[in-house]
Amino acid sequence: QQPVQSPQAVILREGEDAVINCSSSKALYSVHWYRQKHGEAPVFLMILLKGGEQKGHEKISASFNEKKQQSSLYLTASQLSYSGTYFCGTPSYGGATNKLIFGTGTLLAVQP
Amino acid sequence: DTAVSQTPKYLVTQMGNDKSIKCEQNLGHDTMYWYKQDSKKFLKIMFSYNNKELIINETVPNRFSPKSPDKAHLNLHINSLELGDSAVYFCASSFQTGSSGNTIYFGEGSWLTVV
Repeated sequence: QQPVQSPQAVILREGEDAVINCSSSKALYSVHWYRQKHGEAPVFLMILLKGGEQKGHEKISASFNEKKQQSSLYLTASQLSYSGTYFCGTPSYGGATNKLIFGTGTLLAVQP
Repeated sequence: DTAVSQTPKYLVTQMGNDKSIKCEQNLGHDTMYWYKQDSKKFLKIMFSYNNKELIINETVPNRFSPKSPDKAHLNLHINSLELGDSAVYFCASSFQTGSSGNTIYFGEGSWLTVV
């Protein structure tokens, strides 16, 4: 089943902060975060492999709550370049056919 | 150097036609994928190949046939195109199956419009 992201869309002014949530109805073993700019391919941001793990990448960081089956992406002091659609991805295990299932996506628009 | 490259980038064709999209990766990955992104931006996996072997085949119509001549190439052939096939098709690759700690690298996408 596809992870659900919230909010679906968010509009920010430069310098504002945002939080994007990713929730799964199934157990989460790891969480991947990707960003897709308009008209481009999704680009990898980070992976969280362990419950309780937090990671940072410049002013973008994420946390992973294994027990709650959710992850959050934090964007601090947003820049115009942060605009795009953010996807979380979670592995779905089924014997030898493991695959990455992407969430519903969150559209982030940063305005000057 | 482009890591995952796919061609063509844009494709406009009439219903009923057959078309192919080609994909190549130079990252040395052993697993390749086709993802479909619809108008709602949902990214859904269609197929996955590991070392030329089909390992994932999501509920995709038989009109879609992937082919992997070697682990660096994965092509997608679509027969009897329908309006609902209009979407962006992304090729991607990774080590193993892309789960756990393996990052998936995407191509730039092929915009297919069926008229």
